[in-house]
Amino acid sequence: LAKTTQPISMDSYEGQEVNITCSHNNIATNDYITWYQQFPSQGPRFIIQGYKTKVTNEVASLFIPADRKSSTLSLPRVSLSDTAVYYCLVGFNTGGFKTIFGAGTRLFVKA
Amino acid sequence: GAVVSQHPSWVICKSGTSVKIECRSLDFQATTMFWYRQFPKQSLMLMATSNEGSKATYEQGVEKDKFLINHASLTLSTLTVTSAHPEDSSFYICSARNLADEQFFGPGTRLTVL
Repeated sequence: LAKTTQPISMDSYEGQEVNITCSHNNIATNDYITWYQQFPSQGPRFIIQGYKTKVTNEVASLFIPADRKSSTLSLPRVSLSDTAVYYCLVGFNTGGFKTIFGAGTRLFVKA
Repeated sequence: GAVVSQHPSWVICKSGTSVKIECRSLDFQATTMFWYRQFPKQSLMLMATSNEGSKATYEQGVEKDKFLINHASLTLSTLTVTSAHPEDSSFYICSARNLADEQFFGPGTRLTVL
């Protein structure tokens, strides 16, 4: 069964750069990799999406190696409000096109 | 970005009653919507894939007669929890996929069954 794998938790301090890596060995050829942020009792919020190489927007960067079997979300200069759960999401073309969440990474930013 | 709404945001009901949750894509058309449930401190679990104009595809272990899904238009999918029981209490989240394969999530619905 295809799945994503991320570290369960990470700690950081304000102002630091945080990198969260996700492995997704069975990613479909045409699928994108998307990262979401979730606060308690809220729906996931879109952060960034990419297919290969590097993507950057105003809040994060996404690094994807050539084999696309993993991806790394980079958050520059985190703040306390970045404390949340981060999920990487890919579509697995098994029994139909659907997206499965992994366990996510709980990021705790300290002052 | 695209907006997905859910209604209601929370609901409390008695055991045995049915509850309907609506999911709407407000500024885009979604041929595919997804329904997830999430228990405290756990990840989102995919329940079913809702396709406009056709039957939903349920994940293994999810009872289709218990969780009725209707996707009657390109902007609306509904999830009805039939004969709800306390173990159905959870956070239900929908998402909608646009034509660019981008997936956007609703704010979630907190269901509490007494």
